[in-house]
Amino acid sequence: DAGITQSPRHKVTETGTPVTLRCHQTENHRYMYWYRQDPGHGLRLIHYSYGVKDTDKGEVSDGYSVSRSKTEDFLLTLESATSSQTSVYFCAISESGQTNQPQHFGDGTRLSIL
Amino acid sequence: AQSVTQLDSHVSVSEGTPVLLRCNYSSSYSPSLFWYVQHPNKGLQLLLKYTSAATLVKGINGFEAEFKKSETSFHLTKPSAHMSDAAEYFCVVSHSGGYQKVTFGTGTKLQVIP
Repeated sequence: DAGITQSPRHKVTETGTPVTLRCHQTENHRYMYWYRQDPGHGLRLIHYSYGVKDTDKGEVSDGYSVSRSKTEDFLLTLESATSSQTSVYFCAISESGQTNQPQHFGDGTRLSIL
Repeated sequence: AQSVTQLDSHVSVSEGTPVLLRCNYSSSYSPSLFWYVQHPNKGLQLLLKYTSAATLVKGINGFEAEFKKSETSFHLTKPSAHMSDAAEYFCVVSHSGGYQKVTFGTGTKLQVIP
């Protein structure tokens, strides 16, 4: 299995509080991604990174920010959590941005916002 | 634009019988296609990938898929289902779009009846 660690694995918090999720990889892959998974939607891309300090938005980026100060770490921040952000969040990595490169996934963070 | 349609949200088979999970795709480019499996409370694990080489692709755990361009399909099959195959399966299409742009299907839950 690809060396991807997500923390925390579970979190419950209240509306309006800030939340940061961490993704740590040991594969030295260039690309990192944050997705959310919701019933009936598959996985949807929130943000991605193509190198240290190089990030861009995905299709559902509103309300989220990211940072990547080191190759191995990619942080996802909810500045002021809302109930609509209750979801399971997955980090993924890929060696390059080439079409034929599969992404490899962490085990997810289950986030509940009350 | 690209899209993926998984034709069944749920499939139920008896242990030892064949498995067929259907996936149709739409892509303006020559796509790469992937199947992933997700067991409960786990991340997505790569089963197999098609990247314009052989049209019949063999994956892990006895799964295979056939790329049919004329039908824009990439169905996943297995000759004999095991109880451990019970999981959710995702079909994914990928093409270059500045980054590795992927689109996930909404998933098919496979139930295996003893």
